[in-house]
Amino acid sequence: DGGITQSPKYLFRKEGQNVTLSCEQNLNHDAMYWYRQDPGQGLRLIYYSQIVNDFQKGDIAEGYSVSREKKESFPLTVTSAQKNPTAFYLCASSIFQGMNTEAFFGQGTRLTVV
Amino acid sequence: AQKVTQAQTEISVVEKEDVTLDCVYETRDTTYYLFWYKQPPSGELVFLIRRNSFDEQNEISGRYSWNFQKSTSSFNFTITASQVVDSAVYFCALSVYSGGGADGLTFGKGTHLIIQP
Repeated sequence: DGGITQSPKYLFRKEGQNVTLSCEQNLNHDAMYWYRQDPGQGLRLIYYSQIVNDFQKGDIAEGYSVSREKKESFPLTVTSAQKNPTAFYLCASSIFQGMNTEAFFGQGTRLTVV
Repeated sequence: AQKVTQAQTEISVVEKEDVTLDCVYETRDTTYYLFWYKQPPSGELVFLIRRNSFDEQNEISGRYSWNFQKSTSSFNFTITASQVVDSAVYFCALSVYSGGGADGLTFGKGTHLIIQP
């Protein structure tokens, strides 16, 4: 079945460590996105990529990094510079046709700093 | 900058009641799209509807209906004869054309809808 796969579902990180969240899609979508969700908050855009080997910062990119070496994959690294990384992270993708296409979301990764 | 406001943090109704979720948006762009997503307890966001800024027709899909009014910058969502399975967090979102294509959605903070049996 076509869709977006995020792994792992739950992730625990010690303070000061970097950790990478995986996002893979088999929908042949050009655009991919990472959002962060905090309790009682909406989703905030971290990074997005419209084509391979290119990505742009979103509203809250500080302390995060991404890569887009393949169309299907858009991993997110939460670095030690991110001061409050505990949150729910959602990956999404959409056809690169501008603003009129809906984004499809993965099931999310819940990151907890211990 | 864009902004989406969902003033209702949580709504609780008894099953079979009708319920309306409010969404107010702000943008200086004349061309934009509005979306509604549902987030069940599993966490994944499920797409419900897309509406462009030039189409103010209301839409009905089964028990769901949407009322888009540009004059008040609102895009409200009504569930008729609510069911327990409708319990979820609902997000309203906005997308504008930046010239670069698909550069992400601006989300409201969501409304937690609780349908009691």
